[in-house]
Amino acid sequence: SQQGEEDPQALSIQEGENATMNCSYKTSINNLQWYRQNSGRGLVHLILIRSNEREKHSGRLRVTLDTSKKSSSLLITASRAADTASYFCATDGAMYSSASKIIFGSGTRLSIRP
Amino acid sequence: EAGVAQSPRYKIIEKRQSVAFWCNPISGHATLYWYQQILGQGPKLLIQFQNNGVVDDSQLPKDRFSAERLKGVDSTLKIQPAKLEDSAVYLCASSATDSNQPQHFGDGTRLSIL
Repeated sequence: SQQGEEDPQALSIQEGENATMNCSYKTSINNLQWYRQNSGRGLVHLILIRSNEREKHSGRLRVTLDTSKKSSSLLITASRAADTASYFCATDGAMYSSASKIIFGSGTRLSIRP
Repeated sequence: EAGVAQSPRYKIIEKRQSVAFWCNPISGHATLYWYQQILGQGPKLLIQFQNNGVVDDSQLPKDRFSAERLKGVDSTLKIQPAKLEDSAVYLCASSATDSNQPQHFGDGTRLSIL
């Protein structure tokens, strides 16, 4: 089973509003990354946060990491139409015999209404 | 810098046939990844190379999938024989050193099995 699970699965907001997506995982990690994917395209890296960090910012993006709760959140402020995409978290953790070291969640589909 | 190049962009084959995908990572990137992304899901790591050595192939169906990275640069992923369940987008990504660095993705190969 996948380690990173995003919540909500889908989110529709008005342009200019803030969007928050959450990611939960099950085991210890080295880092957690957030990616964006536009329809029919590859993934684009947004932010990497290491296990000893609690918060990172990049432009309109803010990522938090709570290792005690095994969860992360991605906040997009002042959303724009161009933010419409699917967003994935990916964890890089310990190697297990039956699971990969790098695991992507199932994604949040974000739609921005004009 | 040039991004990750993948070919072909689309491929349609019948079940039991064989198919191969090619990936050229960003110049100088040591780590190369192949992912399978089924419609509506997050990418699943199939294999990770560090230079030309395999780091993680725990999720690669080795009875039908194979991958190689000659000279630590380009890589090919092969499926033989293909099954209906292999219909998916196959994504290649690379990172500068290891999985503690952002991954850069190509646009993928969309494979349809008839």
